[in-house]
Amino acid sequence: DTGVSQDPRHKITKRGQNVTFRCDPISEHNRLYWYRQTLGQGPEFLTYFQNEAQLEKSRLLSDRFSAERPKGSFSTLEIQRTEQGDSAMYLCASSAPRKTQYFGPGTRLLVL
Amino acid sequence: AQRVTQPEKLLSVFKGAPVELKCNYSYSGSPELFWYVQYSRQRLQLLLRHISRESIKGFTADLNKGETSFHLKKPFAQEEDSAMYYCALLNAGGTSYGKLTFGQGTILTVHP
Repeated sequence: DTGVSQDPRHKITKRGQNVTFRCDPISEHNRLYWYRQTLGQGPEFLTYFQNEAQLEKSRLLSDRFSAERPKGSFSTLEIQRTEQGDSAMYLCASSAPRKTQYFGPGTRLLVL
Repeated sequence: AQRVTQPEKLLSVFKGAPVELKCNYSYSGSPELFWYVQYSRQRLQLLLRHISRESIKGFTADLNKGETSFHLKKPFAQEEDSAMYYCALLNAGGTSYGKLTFGQGTILTVHP
């Protein structure tokens, strides 16, 4: 296991299109987190899962955003009707309970 | 609400000089604090956590609850220390356990 992986690494889309990102956590980690990072800022929490249950969603996560982790393994983050303000780096992290979070390389989204 | 402040966006030092990256936090409970580092073109990775009380790559950080600070220090900076450094605070309460709140980050440049 080489760590948390994310796909795609880069995504360019037009405003109004839908995009979906995938995160594969470290296999034995039951917690999975999504963060968003805009230019010049630190990562901001979006949502997290314990196994397949989504336990918390940030108010940053508008109705256009949805995240799933159907079998408690990989997770997807979907953004519907993208807006230019959605342009950011989307980071995924995973951890065992009460242990260090390990981050993926991120998916950089650019909305034109 | 929990908050992390890194007052310096940029910090430049010469090789061999001491370096201190400042971090202040606001949190009502008992804080768990971390320093994450991101080297050029690499993913975010944990540098150290205060509960471990260890030194990683020559860096140390002491939690000062009175001053609500968790400054990162290294007595002799090396060129390979050049990176973006983030201070992060763990939410240790209830269902939000595990959510990290990050500061804005400090870009450290170590000149030869």
